[in-house]
Amino acid sequence: EDQVTQSPEALRLQEGESSSLNCSYTVSGLRGLFWYRQDPGKGPEFLFTLYSAGEEKEKERLKATLTKKESFLHITAPKPEDSATYLCAVQDNYGGATNKLIFGTGTLLAVQP
Amino acid sequence: DAGITQSPRHKVTETGTPVTLRCHQTENHRYMYWYRQDPGHGLRLIHYSYGVKDTDKGEVSDGYSVSRSKTEDFLLTLESATSSQTSVYFCAISEPTRKGQSNQPQHFGDGTRLSIL
Repeated sequence: EDQVTQSPEALRLQEGESSSLNCSYTVSGLRGLFWYRQDPGKGPEFLFTLYSAGEEKEKERLKATLTKKESFLHITAPKPEDSATYLCAVQDNYGGATNKLIFGTGTLLAVQP
Repeated sequence: DAGITQSPRHKVTETGTPVTLRCHQTENHRYMYWYRQDPGHGLRLIHYSYGVKDTDKGEVSDGYSVSRSKTEDFLLTLESATSSQTSVYFCAISEPTRKGQSNQPQHFGDGTRLSIL
């Protein structure tokens, strides 16, 4: 059974203090790994898709990387506006036909000024 | 922002009453999904649709039904609401991933907060 585990559950950083969020997964054939950001009272907002081990994607202060067992979301010099819940999701080869996703429970990031 | 509107945004109702949530999209995307989000469980798929009148069950479909009579609208119905269905419900849309194309992500609405007393 496909499974996605995110750690830590919550992370508090000072502004400018870089860190990483982890997403470990077990899946029967990875078709894609997705990162989303979710603000309170809002729906998840798409950030990145990663497809194969060794791949990296960047957007502003965020960089996502992928290995065969896990993905990391690196946050460099975060700002208070980066505070949000970050969700990881995987798509396996079976669910790929309809783009179905399996989500982790997320990491709640708080960046203090 | 993807053109996805969920209604109502908030609803409080009583156990045993029927409830219908609506998702409306202006993107003409083929696939639509209903999720529920609960603390400690993350987003779980309830039902999804891969075309007009084409729907299938997700991970947590018991107690829910769906209908899609038009491309733009996807309805989620709780026939007889129970307290365990108190949750935040999200609708998502996506396009099919075609051969040679990057995987199409899902895009989400802002949710409906449903409380069942």
